[in-house]
Amino acid sequence: DVKVTQSSRYLVKRTGEKVFLECVQDMDHENMFWYRQDPGLGLRLIYFSYDVKMKEKGDIPEGYSVSREKKERFSLILESASTNQTSMYLCASRRPLAGGETQYFGPGTRLLVL
Amino acid sequence: KQEVTQIPAALSVPEGENLVLNCSFTDSAIYNLQWFRQDPGKGLTSLLLIQSSQREQTSGRLNASLDKSSGRSTLYIAASQPGDSATYLCAVNNFNKFYFGSGTKLNVKP
Repeated sequence: DVKVTQSSRYLVKRTGEKVFLECVQDMDHENMFWYRQDPGLGLRLIYFSYDVKMKEKGDIPEGYSVSREKKERFSLILESASTNQTSMYLCASRRPLAGGETQYFGPGTRLLVL
Repeated sequence: KQEVTQIPAALSVPEGENLVLNCSFTDSAIYNLQWFRQDPGKGLTSLLLIQSSQREQTSGRLNASLDKSSGRSTLYIAASQPGDSATYLCAVNNFNKFYFGSGTKLNVKP
């Protein structure tokens, strides 16, 4: 079974803090993704990574950065957390076969910025 | 930019009913479409993936169809059970970018 784990289920941070969200997958997948999920807005792609040290902006990258130094780990960084970054953050991974393959999601991190 | 819409936003049915969830998308140039299930406070679990060349996929009591030319997909759930209560999301794949609908929240009453 594919397993995608996220470092925290719940986080509470203060405005201006630097926040690290970690995602680890154990299936040697090349592609990894970070989304945020907000009521009424669905999932929106923040960043994705084709492979190690490769990254590409998604639809809402402002205020975020990412790091992929090892294949199994994809980190999302909030450089200076703001209240509008309070959200559910979901990580996913997949193998990029021709025609596409399913994404496997982690359990999510619910972040509250005060 | 691809936009994905799901209707209805919420649905409540008695146990045993057959039901249909709808998903529409604006750009038909997709690689595939996927249906997911999300339980409260949890991540997403893949239910069915339909490649752009396929018309439908089936898994147990679930059947998903795809009409790429009209930008529509449906998820059919047969003989619904209380355990089917969850939010169902569809996602379309446009060249490694995935666009999600806001989901349909399903409640199956015993």
